[in-house]
Amino acid sequence: EAGVAQSPRYKIIEKRQSVAFWCNPISGHATLYWYQQILGQGPKLLIQFQNNGVVDDSQLPKDRFSAERLKGVDSTLKIQPAKLEDSAVYLCASSLRQGQGFYEQYFGPGTRLTVT
Amino acid sequence: AQSVAQPEDQVNVAEGNPLTVKCTYSVSGNPYLFWYVQYPNRGLQFLLKYITGDNLVKGSYGFEAEFNKSQTSFHLKKPSALVSDSALYFCAVIPRAGNMLTFGGGTRLMVKP
Repeated sequence: EAGVAQSPRYKIIEKRQSVAFWCNPISGHATLYWYQQILGQGPKLLIQFQNNGVVDDSQLPKDRFSAERLKGVDSTLKIQPAKLEDSAVYLCASSLRQGQGFYEQYFGPGTRLTVT
Repeated sequence: AQSVAQPEDQVNVAEGNPLTVKCTYSVSGNPYLFWYVQYPNRGLQFLLKYITGDNLVKGSYGFEAEFNKSQTSFHLKKPSALVSDSALYFCAVIPRAGNMLTFGGGTRLMVKP
């Protein structure tokens, strides 16, 4: 079974530039998550999709971050404009179904973003 | 609001010795509890979960965790540590009626030969 795919693996941009990350979840997984992991901290949920609808985006900085999952499969996360404090690893995860908290999430390798 | 505390930034143990990585949580009601492991340059990998039933949960790679409701703890254990167990370990919690998985800050496990 293929895992969660993410690209790019690394990205370096200057502040005020824009950047986009892509994620393809495990086949058949209805729920997709984007997390931000700052160095030395645990992952923090940014947004959660169930199929192509948003379930929770309460921790997404909506003035600069946006995400979409148009066909209920792959997803993109965008930052525009980037700030220095956005430097982090962005993790994508998927699980079988939302609303069933005991389904474990499967994580991709992450995208390491450095904002200079 | 829910929270997870991992009081130790790092745990050092000799190969072959038992290990414990501590986790306590604060959440209303009875939560679902998880442990994940993160190896360098790799995403988080699921180790084990507690849903209900037996307080001792067995997971991957010989790890187990003990749920203690009165102490609101979910400590990760292994009877005999391997050098290859060296990694970053995260405890996570989600309320039974909730959507958001909340992670602790992580504990780095160093197993020395």
